[in-house]
Amino acid sequence: GDSVTQMEGPVTLSEEAFLTINCTYTATGYPSLFWYVQYPGEGLQLLLKATKADDKGSNKGFEATYRKETTSFHLEKGSVQVSDSAVYFCALISRGYQKVTFGTGTKLQVIP
Amino acid sequence: EAQVTQNPRYLITVTGKKLTVTCSQNMNHEYMSWYRQDPGLGLRQIYYSMNVEVTDKGDVPEGYKVSRKEKRNFPLILESPSPNQTSLYFCASSLTQGVDEQYFGPGTRLTVT
Repeated sequence: GDSVTQMEGPVTLSEEAFLTINCTYTATGYPSLFWYVQYPGEGLQLLLKATKADDKGSNKGFEATYRKETTSFHLEKGSVQVSDSAVYFCALISRGYQKVTFGTGTKLQVIP
Repeated sequence: EAQVTQNPRYLITVTGKKLTVTCSQNMNHEYMSWYRQDPGLGLRQIYYSMNVEVTDKGDVPEGYKVSRKEKRNFPLILESPSPNQTSLYFCASSLTQGVDEQYFGPGTRLTVT
């Protein structure tokens, strides 16, 4: 079945540091890939998405590129802020299927 | 305002006492889904619905029921709750499925004693 593997957290960074959160996947066919963010006490919100190989999703300074050859969708940001502190989830939907598969989430803490 | 609402937000109950968590969306979305979130396990899909009267099992459906009689509502039913169903539950909806963004409700924290 489909699966998503994210790097273990928590990740603690100083403000303005570079962020990478790794995400790799296994899936049937060619899935659509997503990053969602969950702020404390809230539901998940879509951060960015990519629907085919080599697509780059971007939003709020975050980026992720759909790499079919390495089955990866790593999240990056050049300069994190305290307000980016949250839990980040990688997710996929396989084409032709209706199930959504999430990773376990990576908690990011940014300190001033 | 476009949103997904869930009720109740917090619930403490006892083993075996039937309960329903409601979910409603006002965006005319076709696809709705229930997830549970547990530490170290991320979000796991319980049930989903492609449209009215069309539902199917996700990865962890045991102990849960759903129904989709109207497009906007997708209640989650626990006929006989057990302590291992203590969790944080999220309802979500999307326009269709596939590449569409999912919109999540605020969550329901359920404790079964």
